[in-house]
Amino acid sequence: DTEVTQTPKHLVMGMTNKKSLKCEQHMGHRAMYWYKQKAKKPPELMFVYSYEKLSINESVPSRFSPECPNSSLLNLHLHALQPEDSALYLCASSQFSTGGEQTQYFGPGTRLLVL
Amino acid sequence: KQEVTQIPAALSVPEGENLVLNCSFTDSAIYNLQWFRQDPGKGLTSLLLIQSSQREQTSGRLNASLDKSSGRSTLYIAASQPGDSATYLCAVRSTPGGGYNKLIFGAGTRLAVHP
Repeated sequence: DTEVTQTPKHLVMGMTNKKSLKCEQHMGHRAMYWYKQKAKKPPELMFVYSYEKLSINESVPSRFSPECPNSSLLNLHLHALQPEDSALYLCASSQFSTGGEQTQYFGPGTRLLVL
Repeated sequence: KQEVTQIPAALSVPEGENLVLNCSFTDSAIYNLQWFRQDPGKGLTSLLLIQSSQREQTSGRLNASLDKSSGRSTLYIAASQPGDSATYLCAVRSTPGGGYNKLIFGAGTRLAVHP
């Protein structure tokens, strides 16, 4: 099973709302990632978790708050977002976060619209 | 700083044509290079992964080559079909400062195969 699942598929929220995106994988991977992808642009890395600890934050605003409750789950908590945060949010996982022979497996994404 | 460029940005071909998508990168110190397919509004599907020590990988009608020294990769699609219509993304795995691996994406080639 090489599947990464993400919920919800679509999300519409106001700028004062608090919402969460969820990502799950059961491949035993120890590295998980959040990417943001704007329309017709490539994905941009936001966060990297390794062994359930935050390894990398690519200077993401604090209104995005990641959480890794266990090795299979990754959440992205959203609060006080701006309309420009509307995008496709992709989750990915790989066996480890370091080492060359790593394939990242991507989920289908959550399409977020901030009104 | 690693930069990935994909040419052409868009391509429209009749069904049955063989075609080549190009990817170039500025820093040859990569671990691997990965080609992804992305359908509109969807997540990324990994097509082929080429390790830095390899020259090419094949999967069905797809063949990807890597010339690390010149910073180039090509994705060859044989006998194209309408179902191949999608955006094709090239990504290299580099190690910026800090030791962690990072996928750096090109902007993609939007392919349309018409019957």
